[in-house]
Amino acid sequence: NAGVTQTPKFRVLKTGQSMTLLCAQDMNHEYMYWYRQDPGMGLRLIHYSVGEGTTAKGEVPDGYNVSRLKKQNFLLGLESAAPSQTSVYFCASSQTGTADEQFFGPGTRLTVL
Amino acid sequence: DAKTTQPNSMESNEEEPVHLPCNHSTISGTDYIHWYRQLPSQGPEYVIHGLTSNVNNRMASLAIAEDRKSSTLILHRATLRDAAVYYCILRDDSNYQLIWGAGTKLIIKP
Repeated sequence: NAGVTQTPKFRVLKTGQSMTLLCAQDMNHEYMYWYRQDPGMGLRLIHYSVGEGTTAKGEVPDGYNVSRLKKQNFLLGLESAAPSQTSVYFCASSQTGTADEQFFGPGTRLTVL
Repeated sequence: DAKTTQPNSMESNEEEPVHLPCNHSTISGTDYIHWYRQLPSQGPEYVIHGLTSNVNNRMASLAIAEDRKSSTLILHRATLRDAAVYYCILRDDSNYQLIWGAGTKLIIKP
């Protein structure tokens, strides 16, 4: 099993450009999450999904959109990138949304100039 | 959301036990205590979690105070591969969000 994979690993954008980050999991998990991590800080939840076709806002959703058209994939979109969105983005998945563990991908390092 | 307080960093010698403390004085009755760790340039990795009773698994032990206002993650025999940032997180059983603090950077000296 590959677990949770993320593409791309690195990306540099100019202000105003758009992009989509792809997260895929092969564990048949129902729940998926997108986090961002700024230097020296813990992770902050951007959006999450409790199942195929559903999404919900997390702690810091502004400037991002998500879609979960297939159970195994969770896409994070930036419509008009801003320098404040420079960060490392992590995707995670879990079987349930309660006390069980979340499995994380390796991260995408995004720089917005 | 209830918050946690952890020391910024700790040092330990290789092959010795490590006790990582966490204070969570505003914990509610339905909050689970989760620990994750993050090795350099990697995604976080689950370590252990518990509600009221002490918990053990192959990676670590979690000791929870009787009043649940604090907990301690115990690595029984630290190795250089255990050098990471360790996060103590509270999670409401009805809430999908993990609220992360800055964590404790664990430095292992050979």
